[in-house]
Amino acid sequence: DQQVKQNSPSLSVQEGRISILNCDYTNSMFDYFLWYKKYPAEGPTFLISISSIKDKNEDGRFTVFLNKSAKHLSLHIVPSQPGDSAVYFCAALYQGAQKLVFGQGTRLTINP
Amino acid sequence: NAGVTQTPKFRVLKTGQSMTLLCAQDMNHEYMYWYRQDPGMGLRLIHYSVGEGTTAKGEVPDGYNVSRLKKQNFLLGLESAAPSQTSVYFCASSTSGGSQPQHFGDGTRLSIL
Repeated sequence: DQQVKQNSPSLSVQEGRISILNCDYTNSMFDYFLWYKKYPAEGPTFLISISSIKDKNEDGRFTVFLNKSAKHLSLHIVPSQPGDSAVYFCAALYQGAQKLVFGQGTRLTINP
Repeated sequence: NAGVTQTPKFRVLKTGQSMTLLCAQDMNHEYMYWYRQDPGMGLRLIHYSVGEGTTAKGEVPDGYNVSRLKKQNFLLGLESAAPSQTSVYFCASSTSGGSQPQHFGDGTRLSIL
């Protein structure tokens, strides 16, 4: 049972435009969400996170939005740059848990 | 800055062979984790440790064992490798559990023939 789902395996966006990556979850106990970015042959690196007490968190070009009623979060990248081409994973955890639950990942390609 | 180092980077095994994957971190982190990544599956937690001398099962622990004898090292063992264990293995560490971001190594690509 996939508790965290990224339904788009891939996304292609033109350089300078907005990239929107989506993530859905089923467990209403999740109260903290993170996004990781992964380049080929490297490990994932932490990008941005959001607590369930917020609906938006912004860090430079990256903004994460959380819609608790819809159990949905999204990562916006504006403007998109070639270096943003990578696989993006969303992850979730709930209070007191020691472990993250990851989605399947979305491969983002930024075209010049 | 080494961060999290995984050894080896690549390995090919025959079914039934055993091996140990080593993870070392130099950030004095308490928590360490082993994940496997398979196509279309994301990262799945195998085992984790909340401190030296402790281990706990994750989502997919069967066929694996772990040890955390020293704070900086977390070992993942395959006693009798099976083709289903062909995967990319990632180690991670964090200062504490929960919302603290995890720092990942660059992975070990393991093929079981």
